[in-house]
Amino acid sequence: DVKVTQSSRYLVKRTGEKVFLECVQDMDHENMFWYRQDPGLGLRLIYFSYDVKMKEKGDIPEGYSVSREKKERFSLILESASTNQTSMYLCASSRATGGWSYNEQFFGPGTRLTVL
Amino acid sequence: ELKVEQNPLFLSMQEGKNYTIYCNYSTTSDRLYWYRQDPGKSLESLFVLLSNGAVKQEGRLMASLDTKARLSTLHITAAVHDLSATYFCAALPDGDDKIIFGKGTRLHILP
Repeated sequence: DVKVTQSSRYLVKRTGEKVFLECVQDMDHENMFWYRQDPGLGLRLIYFSYDVKMKEKGDIPEGYSVSREKKERFSLILESASTNQTSMYLCASSRATGGWSYNEQFFGPGTRLTVL
Repeated sequence: ELKVEQNPLFLSMQEGKNYTIYCNYSTTSDRLYWYRQDPGKSLESLFVLLSNGAVKQEGRLMASLDTKARLSTLHITAAVHDLSATYFCAALPDGDDKIIFGKGTRLHILP
């Protein structure tokens, strides 16, 4: 059974704190993604990684950075949290494009982050 | 750039009725996905449609794909309250790894 896990379901931080959100997948997927989801705005891609140590900016990378030191783990870092980063954060993973890969993304349970 | 549009964005319907959610995408794509999201939860994969004319069914939900019209539909038959959720369609641009999501259709089924 495929599995994507995220380090916390709920997190409360203060403005200016450094925040780490961790995501781990056990499917040996090449691709990993971080999204944020806000009411009325749908899913917005923050960062994408297609291999270890490789990353690509998504639609809204400002205020975020990422780290992928191992294939199964993708971390999202908020260097200095701000109230406008209060949101639901979703991690996903998928196989690389090619062959008969479905490229289907599998999502983690999400982390609801509140920045006070 | 691939864009995905769903309609309607909000749908309130009675139990027992049939309805269809439409998903249009703007450029060629040979992979179309449907996801379900319950309130406060993450996204769960429902269907992956890979080719023109593909049809998949799971219970009261049936998804189809017309690549020539760049249209996918999610049909709900004899709706029940348990199907209340937000449904997302998404498409994969040719040669890319990043799926593009629609804004989601919030489905509310009234008893």
